[in-house]
Amino acid sequence: GQQLNQSPQSMFIQEGEDVSMNCTSSSIFNTWLWYKQEPGEGPVLLIALYKAGELTSNGRLTAQFGITRKDSFLNISASIPSDVGIYFCAGLGYGKLTFGQGTILTVHP
Amino acid sequence: NAGVTQTPKFRVLKTGQSMTLLCAQDMNHEYMYWYRQDPGMGLRLIHYSVGEGTTAKGEVPDGYNVSRLKKQNFLLGLESAAPSQTSVYFCASGQGGNEQFFGPGTRLTVL
Repeated sequence: GQQLNQSPQSMFIQEGEDVSMNCTSSSIFNTWLWYKQEPGEGPVLLIALYKAGELTSNGRLTAQFGITRKDSFLNISASIPSDVGIYFCAGLGYGKLTFGQGTILTVHP
Repeated sequence: NAGVTQTPKFRVLKTGQSMTLLCAQDMNHEYMYWYRQDPGMGLRLIHYSVGEGTTAKGEVPDGYNVSRLKKQNFLLGLESAAPSQTSVYFCASGQGGNEQFFGPGTRLTVL
């Protein structure tokens, strides 16, 4: 099956620092999605990318759909304590999502 | 507009027992999905449905059955629970071509 490799697995940063995480795939996807999951909750969509090369921002979040359609990255600028959680990338193909393993983000005040 | 809801939120089963997890959505979405989430493995697709009356296998379907008798509901059944099915189960819905919306999850422990 399709595999998504997400890195890093975890990050411990100070409030105010920028964060970068990425996903790579062995297969091509038509859509890349980035989700955030907080403890005890389901994943919530942050950003959706629909076209190769697309760069999209949502507040302090910026994500890009790689030109090869096999990778994507997510940047968070000026992190704040409420950014803590697990961030997942997901590739959408044939109506089904394939998820990365997640990046656990911890932000120290 | 409640979005995607799941019942129950928590459940403890003994090996061999059966149970059904219920998912409901009020967004008129055609597609519905069941995932399981285990530490370090992200979310893995169990079964999904592209419309009322249809179901299909996902990545990890063994030991589970599903039914989609009504468009708004998607049921996940465990006929004979095993400890390996201890996990957090998430239901999601969507229109197939873009993002999926997730429920709050069901935490299942099989002893």
